Amino acid sequence: EAGVAQSPRYKIIEKRQSVAFWCNPISGHATLYWYQQILGQGPKLLIQFQNNGVVDDSQLPKDRFSAERLKGVDSTLKIQPAKLEDSAVYLCASSSRTGEQFFGPGTRLTVL
Amino acid sequence: AQSVTQPDIHITVSEGASLELRCNYSYGATPYLFWYVQSPGQGLQLLLKYFSGDTLVQGIKGFEAEFKRSQSSFNLRKPSVHWSDAAEYFCAVGANNNDMRFGAGTRLTVKP
Repeated sequence: EAGVAQSPRYKIIEKRQSVAFWCNPISGHATLYWYQQILGQGPKLLIQFQNNGVVDDSQLPKDRFSAERLKGVDSTLKIQPAKLEDSAVYLCASSSRTGEQFFGPGTRLTVL
Repeated sequence: AQSVTQPDIHITVSEGASLELRCNYSYGATPYLFWYVQSPGQGLQLLLKYFSGDTLVQGIKGFEAEFKRSQSSFNLRKPSVHWSDAAEYFCAVGANNNDMRFGAGTRLTVKP
């Protein structure tokens, strides 16, 4: 089966600019996750969707980060405006209802 | 609150030598425990997981891990390391498949 797809793979922006990341989960997976992985740290969950509803966004900095999953399939994560400390790899993962999480390759964001 | 500690930031072993990566967790109930591997530029891949039952868990690529409740540990082992095992390894703890907290990771270098 096809894995989790993410784009772009790399993005460089200036601080205060906006950026969006896209994720296409494994077909049939109802649950989708966005993680932030700062260099030297483990992934930190930003938001979890069940179909198109938010299950957990307690660690999402809502003043600048937003995410949506309108039709319960693809998802976008947006940062507006970006700060230097947002430089990280943004990982998307998906899972069936009670199954293993499968991770995409990530988007590496550099904020200058 | 659940948390994971991986005491070793970086480990170097010779090819063919045995490997043990340490993981200690803090969790109020019986945890779900996971080990993931991340190769450069790749997403995370699940090596193995523990939910209940036999405390010695076998995973992919010849890895195993042992759950020790008395020590709050879930150390990852491999009897003979291959050069292709060089990667970053993450331990994670959660209430289920869908609620994981990751450690900071251990980077494994394999010497020829």
